Amino acid sequence: EAGVAQSPRYKIIEKRQSVAFWCNPISGHATLYWYQQILGQGPKLLIQFQNNGVVDDSQLPKDRFSAERLKGVDSTLKIQPAKLEDSAVYLCASSLRLAGTYNEQFFGPGTRLTVL
Amino acid sequence: GIQVEQSPPDLILQEGANSTLRCNFSDSVNNLQWFHQNPWGQLINLFYIPSGTKQNGRLSATTVATERYSLLYISSSQTTDSGVYFCAPLDILTGGGNKLTFGTGTQLKVEL
Repeated sequence: EAGVAQSPRYKIIEKRQSVAFWCNPISGHATLYWYQQILGQGPKLLIQFQNNGVVDDSQLPKDRFSAERLKGVDSTLKIQPAKLEDSAVYLCASSLRLAGTYNEQFFGPGTRLTVL
Repeated sequence: GIQVEQSPPDLILQEGANSTLRCNFSDSVNNLQWFHQNPWGQLINLFYIPSGTKQNGRLSATTVATERYSLLYISSSQTTDSGVYFCAPLDILTGGGNKLTFGTGTQLKVEL
């Protein structure tokens, strides 16, 4: 079974530029998450989707970050404009369901963003 | 939200040694996952363990939900066990969603 796919794996941009990350979850997984991991810390949730609807985006800096999952499968996360403090690894995860005993989350390899 | 503390923060082992990693959390949880983040940054699922004990090869985990802690045991450690180990309880959000709340991890280095 294929895991969570993410691209690109690495991205270097100048501050104030825009960038987009793509994620394809495990086939059949209804729930998709985006996490941000700053160096030396654990991942922190940015946004969560159930199918094509947003379940929680309370931790997403909406002035510069946006995300969508239009067809309920793959998702994109965008930053516009980027700041230096956005340098981090952006991790996508998916789970079969939102609740119950099928909410084990599986992570992709991440996209390492460096903002100069 | 849930607060998560992991100990020890750093650990160096000789190959073949055993170790216990601890995770304390501040509130009751519906579920908990343990991950290994390898040196390339990939988060690898180790256990999905809301309560009780599970074993997978040289690794085992125990969660005592009523006392708000979980333990990860590594036996006969190997150099490939090096990396960061994260404990992540599942926090239910007010809007019906959920999130894994990660601790700061235990950095493990296994030496020959």
